[in-house]
Amino acid sequence: DQQVKQNSPSLSVQEGRISILNCDYTNSMFDYFLWYKKYPAEGPTFLISISSIKDKNEDGRFTVFLNKSAKHLSLHIVPSQPGDSAVYFCAASDSGGFKTIFGAGTRLFVKA
Amino acid sequence: KAGVTQTPRYLIKTRGQQVTLSCSPISGHRSVSWYQQTPGQGLQFLFEYFSETQRNKGNFPGRFSGRQFSNSRSEMNVSTLELGDSALYLCASSFPLAGAYNEQFFGPGTRLTVL
Repeated sequence: DQQVKQNSPSLSVQEGRISILNCDYTNSMFDYFLWYKKYPAEGPTFLISISSIKDKNEDGRFTVFLNKSAKHLSLHIVPSQPGDSAVYFCAASDSGGFKTIFGAGTRLFVKA
Repeated sequence: KAGVTQTPRYLIKTRGQQVTLSCSPISGHRSVSWYQQTPGQGLQFLFEYFSETQRNKGNFPGRFSGRQFSNSRSEMNVSTLELGDSALYLCASSFPLAGAYNEQFFGPGTRLTVL
């Protein structure tokens, strides 16, 4: 069962524009939602998180929005840069760190 | 601080063999999680260890097992390898704090190819 879903395998955006990556989840019991970024030949690196009691978290060019009623979260990157080209994984976790469930990933291409 | 290290980085095995992968977490981190990454499936959670105890596991067959040592280093073992086990195996460590999200730090992974 896929508890975390990223339905778009890839996304292409022009440099300077906004990138919006989407994610849906099915389990209302998750405490935190996260985004990780992965470059080829490297492990994923943590990007940003949001607690289930909040609806927005911002860190520089990256903003995560959480819509609990729709069980949906999104990552906005503004402005997009060519160095942002990577695979982005959405994930959900309990508060104890016992288990983190990742989505299938979305490959972002930012064109110069 | 040194990052998470995984050995070996690449491995080629044949069907039916078994394999052991190793992970050394960041110093001070006591939680280690293992993931399998395959194209189109993202990161599939295998199991998580804390203080030598498996606290949670994913939906993988019993051929996949793991353990954690007193120094927090962890190993995972796959017995009777199948072609479908070919994947990138990622290890991640964290310093668990109650009531907060604990960022996971990933190693570069071990690329396993089963022929």
